Amino acid sequence: GDSVTQMEGPVTLSEEACLTINCTYTATGYPSLFWYVQYPGEGLQLLLKATKADDKGSNKGFEATYRKETTSFHLEKGSVQVSDSAVYFCALSVPGYSTLTFGKGTMLLVSP
Amino acid sequence: KAGVTQTPRYLIKTRGQQVTLSCSPISGHRSVSWYQQTPGQGLQFLFEYFSETQRNKGNFPGRFSGRQFSNSRSEMNVSTLELGDSALYLCASSLGTGGMNYGYTFGSGTRLTVV
Repeated sequence: GDSVTQMEGPVTLSEEACLTINCTYTATGYPSLFWYVQYPGEGLQLLLKATKADDKGSNKGFEATYRKETTSFHLEKGSVQVSDSAVYFCALSVPGYSTLTFGKGTMLLVSP
Repeated sequence: KAGVTQTPRYLIKTRGQQVTLSCSPISGHRSVSWYQQTPGQGLQFLFEYFSETQRNKGNFPGRFSGRQFSNSRSEMNVSTLELGDSALYLCASSLGTGGMNYGYTFGSGTRLTVV
């Protein structure tokens, strides 16, 4: 079945450090890929998405590129802030279905 | 524009009881999906409703059920609660169904604790 694997956390960084959270997937068909963020006590917010190979999603300084050859969608940010501390989820959906398949989530902790 | 509203935010129930959770989607959105979030299993899809019809169902026992009303509001019900049902239940709404082109907006969730 479809699945998403992302690196386990927590990832602990100092402010202004570079961030990479790895995400790989297994899916039938040609999935759309997403990154969601969850702040403490809140629901999920869509951070960025990509719907076809080589697409780059970007938002709030975060970027991820859909790599079909490596079935990956790694999340990157050049300079993290304390306010980026949250749990990040990689997810996919396959064509024709609205169901999201999520990874386990990666907690990011950014210290001043 | 109001977001997705889930009520109640917190709930404590006893094993064996049943519970009903409510979700009001964004105005104009006709699709509502439910997800269960636990530390052990992560985020798992429960079901999706569109125009009062269940479109998809996840791999959960029959104790978990849902429905959608004509105004697109949705409820999910869990009967004969078990300790393992303790979780954050998230609702997401979308304009349409059958694909992710519409995008989903999540609510803040209902935290259910079964004691």
